Amino acid sequence: DVKVTQSSRYLVKRTGEKVFLECVQDMDHENMFWYRQDPGLGLRLIYFSYDVKMKEKGDIPEGYSVSREKKERFSLILESASTNQTSMYLCASSLFPGGRYYEQYFGPGTRLTVT
Amino acid sequence: AQKITQTQPGMFVQEKEAVTLDCTYDTSDQSYGLFWYKQPSSGEMIFLIYQGSYDEQNATEGRYSLNFQKARKSANLVISASQLGDSAMYFCAMREGRNTGNQFYFGTGTSLTVIP
Repeated sequence: DVKVTQSSRYLVKRTGEKVFLECVQDMDHENMFWYRQDPGLGLRLIYFSYDVKMKEKGDIPEGYSVSREKKERFSLILESASTNQTSMYLCASSLFPGGRYYEQYFGPGTRLTVT
Repeated sequence: AQKITQTQPGMFVQEKEAVTLDCTYDTSDQSYGLFWYKQPSSGEMIFLIYQGSYDEQNATEGRYSLNFQKARKSANLVISASQLGDSAMYFCAMREGRNTGNQFYFGTGTSLTVIP
């Protein structure tokens, strides 16, 4: 079974802190994604990566950066956390080119609170 | 324009009854995939069912079926014989294109509550 793990389930940080959210997948997937999920807004894509050291902006990249130094690891960085970045962050991975489903496999999520 | 629209923020269904969760999508691609995910209160996203744009038959997976109406660009999820464990958020999603780009578009979700 594909496993996507995220470094923390819950995280509390202060405004202005630099925050690292880590995601690791164990199925050699090329693609990895970071979403944030807010009530009433669904999942919004922050960044995705289709290969090591490659990244693409999603719909809401402002205030975030990412790093993918190894294929299995995709990090989301909040350079200077702000209260409006309080959210649930979901990491996902998928194959490319995919199988029949091109399915995304999700991690358990990190609930980040910025105070 | 929204790529995925889910117009039902919340739905209630009696246990053992069937329920339909609505989803419409917007794409000009000929090749695309439609997905439904379930998110229980624990937070993990669980893949339920997939429909490819070229699939002629509606997808089914156990108690889940996808009512795919291509001309109307709708991909409604039907859950038959609802169970208490079906109470969760449900997200419709679309992946455009076959080999170009890997972005998924998600709807805003429908919260389903199954009443005993």
